[in-house]
Amino acid sequence: KQEVTQIPAALSVPEGENLVLNCSFTDSAIYNLQWFRQDPGKGLTSLLLIQSSQREQTSGRLNASLDKSSGRSTLYIAASQPGDSATYLCAVQTGANNLFFGTGTRLTVIP
Amino acid sequence: EPEVTQTPSHQVTQMGQEVILRCVPISNHLYFYWYRQILGQKVEFLVSFYNNEISEKSEIFDDQFSVERPDGSNFTLKIRSTKLEDSAMYFCASSELVQEETQYFGPGTRLLVL
Repeated sequence: KQEVTQIPAALSVPEGENLVLNCSFTDSAIYNLQWFRQDPGKGLTSLLLIQSSQREQTSGRLNASLDKSSGRSTLYIAASQPGDSATYLCAVQTGANNLFFGTGTRLTVIP
Repeated sequence: EPEVTQTPSHQVTQMGQEVILRCVPISNHLYFYWYRQILGQKVEFLVSFYNNEISEKSEIFDDQFSVERPDGSNFTLKIRSTKLEDSAMYFCASSELVQEETQYFGPGTRLLVL
């Protein structure tokens, strides 16, 4: 069964810093990997989707990479802002329809 | 921008009661999903639905659960006899196609079973 792990569980950084969030998964037979943002008590906002054939995707200050063979993905956030404070979830889609989620990294950006 | 909507935002019910959670997926999407997140735990897949039938379900989705698309816009999750452990945030999601496509999530329904 696919297991998704995210490290660190929590991260605090001062405003303006660049940061990296990590995601690892046990089964490399994935269709895609998706990064989400979750604000407290709210739903999931899709940030980036990387197809299995791709190595990275960029959207604004966010850059996600995928190394399928080693079962790893990173989410790079440049020039962090207080509004970036949230929990970041990664999820992989396997041969079935469903997404397997990690437990998330809770990010706090300190003004 | 189109979005997935869910009602109600919060629901409190007594153990053993039936609840129906409602979702309106994005209008041109063909695949619909329910996930749940127990407080402090991972988001877990429950079921996926396509062409008016279940295409995949997890071990969590037992006989107490059912899904339905009663009309052209709504997608519902019914829990027949709620248990304390059903207390969770329930998310609906939809995607245009199934694989290699972004799943768009609704804001969730927080269910509390007393």
